[in-house]
Amino acid sequence: NAGVTQTPKFQVLKTGQSMTLQCAQDMNHEYMSWYRQDPGMGLRLIHYSVGAGITDQGEVPNGYNVSRSTTEDFPLRLLSAAPSQTSVYFCASGLTLHYRELFFGEGSRLTVL
Amino acid sequence: KNEVEQSPQNLTAQEGEFITINCSYSVGISALHWLQQHPGGGIVSLFMLSSGKKKHGRLIATINIQEKHSSLHITASHPRDSAVYICAVRSGDSGTYKYIFGTGTRLKVLA
Repeated sequence: NAGVTQTPKFQVLKTGQSMTLQCAQDMNHEYMSWYRQDPGMGLRLIHYSVGAGITDQGEVPNGYNVSRSTTEDFPLRLLSAAPSQTSVYFCASGLTLHYRELFFGEGSRLTVL
Repeated sequence: KNEVEQSPQNLTAQEGEFITINCSYSVGISALHWLQQHPGGGIVSLFMLSSGKKKHGRLIATINIQEKHSSLHITASHPRDSAVYICAVRSGDSGTYKYIFGTGTRLKVLA
């Protein structure tokens, strides 16, 4: 049981490049989400999903795309990276029914030059 | 004003001390989480509360829904408790899935 797996752990991009952060979970969780963590700020929700084919925007969605074609995977796409997207990104998953704990990936540190 | 406020922002304690971290929120919630972020960056869930009190080992979490306040207590603190503790609320009713996070309390426990 691997939990929540995020890749890559580190990435450096140039402005305008595109990339995808991968997130996979093997716990059959309906809820998956992406957050960014910046110094002095709490984690902020980018996008989330409550099941395959269902996604919704969070607090800071601009510049990011997501899709959920399977229960296990929830990739985050940066189509044209900007320096303002330099951050640490976390994927989290959980069950939607009732109240359950959140499970986090180990984080991905992204630097956009 | 942030919708989730934590205090203190930083805390240094001696090993063995009793520690309290506070979380106040201004929105309606269906659940509140306490998380621990290790120096290496990983985040683990400590508690999920919708009412009352929970205990796990040396950790105790309480919530007062009427006062919109939660506390995390650490008894007999140890240097391995050094971490950032984050309060997060699941806003709205049980049909919503938006979490709002506090900025965290950085705890350092000295031997």
